[in-house]
Amino acid sequence: EVQVVESGGGLVQPGGSLRLSCAASGFTFSTYWMTWVRQAPGKGLEWVASIKEDGSEKSYVDSVMGRFTISRDNAKNSLFLRMDSLRAEDTAVYYCARNSYWGFDSWGQGTLVTVSS
Amino acid sequence: QSALTQPASVSGSPGQSITISCTGTSSDVGGYNYVSWYQQHPGKAPKLMIYEVSNRPSGVSNRFSGSKSGNTASLTISGLQAEDEADYYCSSYTSSSTPFVFGTGTWVSVL
Repeated sequence: EVQVVESGGGLVQPGGSLRLSCAASGFTFSTYWMTWVRQAPGKGLEWVASIKEDGSEKSYVDSVMGRFTISRDNAKNSLFLRMDSLRAEDTAVYYCARNSYWGFDSWGQGTLVTVSS
Repeated sequence: QSALTQPASVSGSPGQSITISCTGTSSDVGGYNYVSWYQQHPGKAPKLMIYEVSNRPSGVSNRFSGSKSGNTASLTISGLQAEDEADYYCSSYTSSSTPFVFGTGTWVSVL
């Protein structure tokens, strides 16, 4: 069974940092692009960042460029999102998703990040 | 990159059919057959319902169908059931600096 499980969310002060993790299982992780999507409370879905199978290509939404870094460890079937200089507007549930057929076919349950003093 | 435009809400009675629109531009919806649709029940993760405009993943009911005309994609739910009450989001690949964009979301209510 394909499964992705996020962890690492929590409460952080503005300007602080956090590292999210996503553990993948049930598929050959190294052969898929992977993506982070977020959803602010009561709001819609927002694509955040994607990374190529071997980590050689990465892309980000403009609002997190220079502050967030997506990475992966194929040996450990894991995806990461390093978030620095966090702002109140980064408060959201962050989902890890597998790219497939130019969409996202498997999602985790999400991890909540709250940026507040 | 602006979000794709969806109606805020759509409603229907059990057994009826409803259609949700998703309007973009020639740089996203109109330029590629890479539109997907997601169902999200409150407090749950999104679920892929349609990919590449009109294809259903294994396990998704054939009551869900997708289509596209010009810069507008559509999701049709036929034989509406109580369990279909949820938020629905479209998404498209784009030629902009951000490769993917989601729609604004549509709440489907079953009367």
